[in-house]
Amino acid sequence: GAVVSQHPSWVICKSGTSVKIECRSLDFQATTMFWYRQFPKQSLMLMATSNEGSKATYEQGVEKDKFLINHASLTLSTLTVTSAHPEDSSFYICSASREPVSPLHFGNGTRLTVT
Amino acid sequence: DAKTTQPNSMESNEEEPVHLPCNHSTISGTDYIHWYRQLPSQGPEYVIHGLTSNVNNRMASLAIAEDRKSSTLILHRATLRDAAVYYCILRPYTGNQFYFGTGTSLTVIP
Repeated sequence: GAVVSQHPSWVICKSGTSVKIECRSLDFQATTMFWYRQFPKQSLMLMATSNEGSKATYEQGVEKDKFLINHASLTLSTLTVTSAHPEDSSFYICSASREPVSPLHFGNGTRLTVT
Repeated sequence: DAKTTQPNSMESNEEEPVHLPCNHSTISGTDYIHWYRQLPSQGPEYVIHGLTSNVNNRMASLAIAEDRKSSTLILHRATLRDAAVYYCILRPYTGNQFYFGTGTSLTVIP
């Protein structure tokens, strides 16, 4: 089945630094990738939708200058958390699909802890 | 933004069938109904999806109401590994706007 690889699986960084998270579709070309964040005991919250070759579409309330998304190819999207603060600590999850109506395949998530 | 309503939690005995309901009364004609499940500290896993007709795969069955305003995910024989949070999601034909609701936390009792 389709596989989405997300790296790193966990990261600890100091306040004020930036962290990059990679999301790769390993065996298919993803026209669309989604980025989510999830706090403990809560559901996934959509942060942005990323289409290859174009700018990401951010959800209301998500700072695009803080959460930089780059979808440079059909198999790779990156999320950079800039100037991270402790409140950015969360579980970040990416997903990708081949076509608009096909199933989404999710990465295993990245646990970000900002100290 | 989530357009679906699910019970917060359900319980099932092991090896018995489980019917997980989902209401989506504002569904549009081009929305696909997707189901995913999530184990703790993991990304969600695709279960099944459909548009109008009932669907079956190796994991589950999806029963869609005739008016498409509700659907039911059916696990034919629950196992302990099926304990997870199950999400019912509407995906527009355009593919974007994939929002998660609160989901149903399924507990399987041995």
